[in-house]
Amino acid sequence: NAGVTQTPKFQVLKTGQSMTLQCAQDMNHEYMSWYRQDPGMGLRLIHYSVGAGITDQGEVPNGYNVSRSTTEDFPLRLLSAAPSQTSVYFCASSYSEGLGNTIYFGEGSWLTVV
Amino acid sequence: AQSVAQPEDQVNVAEGNPLTVKCTYSVSGNPYLFWYVQYPNRGLQFLLKYITGDNLVKGSYGFEAEFNKSQTSFHLKKPSALVSDSALYFCAVRDGTSNTGKLIFGQGTTLQVKP
Repeated sequence: NAGVTQTPKFQVLKTGQSMTLQCAQDMNHEYMSWYRQDPGMGLRLIHYSVGAGITDQGEVPNGYNVSRSTTEDFPLRLLSAAPSQTSVYFCASSYSEGLGNTIYFGEGSWLTVV
Repeated sequence: AQSVAQPEDQVNVAEGNPLTVKCTYSVSGNPYLFWYVQYPNRGLQFLLKYITGDNLVKGSYGFEAEFNKSQTSFHLKKPSALVSDSALYFCAVRDGTSNTGKLIFGQGTTLQVKP
């Protein structure tokens, strides 16, 4: 009963380094997304995907790339980490982008950029 | 613009007492409303949602929420609070004005249940 699985849980990066946050879901969901959670800012959408091969930008896409080669996986790439990207990142999925569908979240990835 | 407001940063209740966490919304069109709970260093767990139908929605862990269209509210309730209910609670609405399918969240309310 895995649901949405994110790795790593905690990561410290140096400014300028790159890394990939992994996300996988086993619910055969078409819709997947990445949010970041910051104090006082709530959760904001970074990128989303409505199916394999289709991705699009959310509210705060700068500095991040995504790809969706399979239905199950939706990795988030930080190309050149900056301190402003210190945050908690959540991957999420739902059956579709339909408004009534429940979005399920992963356990989060705590990222610190020094 | 669509928005969700949680007017209380923190709610304190005694164990065994009823609890209410408030949420109001502003949307164009039909509201699709959700409640999530977040425990420290954990992800958001889905509690319940309102799509259509009965105004009283029942969810996980004994929680329920009352949808009130005239007051544009969707308050989370539980008849008898447990210490283990202490957590951060988020109200959210699915964004129907963009094609992103995103959730628009309130700022969150910390629930403290004291023994």
